[in-house]
Amino acid sequence: QQQVRQSPQSLTVWEGETAILNCSYEDSTFNYFPWYQQFPGEGPALLISIRSVSDKKEDGRFTIFFNKREKKLSLHITDSQPGDSATYFCAARDAGGNNKLTFGQGTVLSVIP
Amino acid sequence: AQTIHQWPVAEIKAVGSPLSLGCTIKGKSSPNLYWYWQATGGTLQQLFYSITVGQVESVVQLNLSASRPKDDQFILSTEKLLLSHSGFYLCAWSHDTEVFFGKGTRLTVV
Repeated sequence: QQQVRQSPQSLTVWEGETAILNCSYEDSTFNYFPWYQQFPGEGPALLISIRSVSDKKEDGRFTIFFNKREKKLSLHITDSQPGDSATYFCAARDAGGNNKLTFGQGTVLSVIP
Repeated sequence: AQTIHQWPVAEIKAVGSPLSLGCTIKGKSSPNLYWYWQATGGTLQQLFYSITVGQVESVVQLNLSASRPKDDQFILSTEKLLLSHSGFYLCAWSHDTEVFFGKGTRLTVV
């Protein structure tokens, strides 16, 4: 059972466009949602995160929109740059004690110059 | 600043051989430590977590074991590798909510 789903599987945008990456979840106990950026051969890097008490979180060109009722969130990357080309993972954590993150399958983003 | 170091960077091992991967965290006392596994092109799956020295909890059974001999060290091991153990092993740490990953170890079992 996949508790965190991401779409699309891959996304191609032109430089300067806004890339929209989607994520949905099933477990209503999830209360923290980080997004990670991973380049080939490297570990994932924490990009931006949001708690379920908020509906929006912004950090520079990266914005998370969160809809608790629909159990959906999205990552918007404005003014996309070729250097943003990477795999993006949405993750979710519940209120349990082990800080376990459940990851989605990832979205591969390609930004064409 | 906190730093996380994983070793080795990559390994090629034979089926049935033993394995030991390591991880060291510097600059953070008493961190929570984690091992994750990532298949090539796949998602990340948590394997183990530890909140203190000598205490390790298993999340997924994959014929692997983990130990935390020191506050800043986390070890992943097995006595007999399987082909299915191939992948990318990531050590991670957290102190509160945010989880930070190391650069990973690429394991190829042949």
